[in-house]
Amino acid sequence: NAGVTQTPKFRILKIGQSMTLQCTQDMNHNYMYWYRQDPGMGLKLIYYSVGAGITDKGEVPNGYNVSRSTTEDFPLRLELAAPSQTSVYFCASSRQGDLYNEQFFGPGTRLTVL
Amino acid sequence: QKEVEQNSGPLSVPEGAIASLNCTYSDRGSQSFFWYRQYSGKSPELIMFIYSNGDKEDGRFTAQLNKASQYVSLLIRDSQPSDSATYLCAVMTGGTSYGKLTFGQGTILTVHP
Repeated sequence: NAGVTQTPKFRILKIGQSMTLQCTQDMNHNYMYWYRQDPGMGLKLIYYSVGAGITDKGEVPNGYNVSRSTTEDFPLRLELAAPSQTSVYFCASSRQGDLYNEQFFGPGTRLTVL
Repeated sequence: QKEVEQNSGPLSVPEGAIASLNCTYSDRGSQSFFWYRQYSGKSPELIMFIYSNGDKEDGRFTAQLNKASQYVSLLIRDSQPSDSATYLCAVMTGGTSYGKLTFGQGTILTVHP
């Protein structure tokens, strides 16, 4: 199993451009999450999904959109990129939202907006 | 007050010593607590979780939970240079937050030979 994969690994955007960060998991997990991590900080939840067709906002959703058409894929869309969106983005998945369940993280996408 | 707060680092300990990492949380409804380790430039990986008051041991790692004091800690015994990383405390609550984690800002640990 590859686990959670993310593409691209690195990306530089100009202000106002848009892009989609891809996330795929092969563990048949119901729950998927998008986090951002700013330097020296913890992880902030952007969006999450409890299953195909169901998504909800996290702590910092402004400027982002998501969709979940399949169990495996959970892409994150950035519209009109701003310097404040410069960060490392992590996708994660878990089997279900059980209190004792482990979230598995992808390798991350490092995004710079200039 | 931050929802999840960790002791400010960085923390530096000599090889073989005990490293103590602390975390406090504000939501009394929090039910499950996680410690993730994150090496520089890598993604977080789970090393411990705890949900009952008291201690939970796994090898050189011990997690301690005190819900009355809203406090969770991680002890690393016989610290090794390979333990040098950022340690993230994460808290999961029930109800509408079911399945979501709130992370602290992390504590950087350096173990020097």
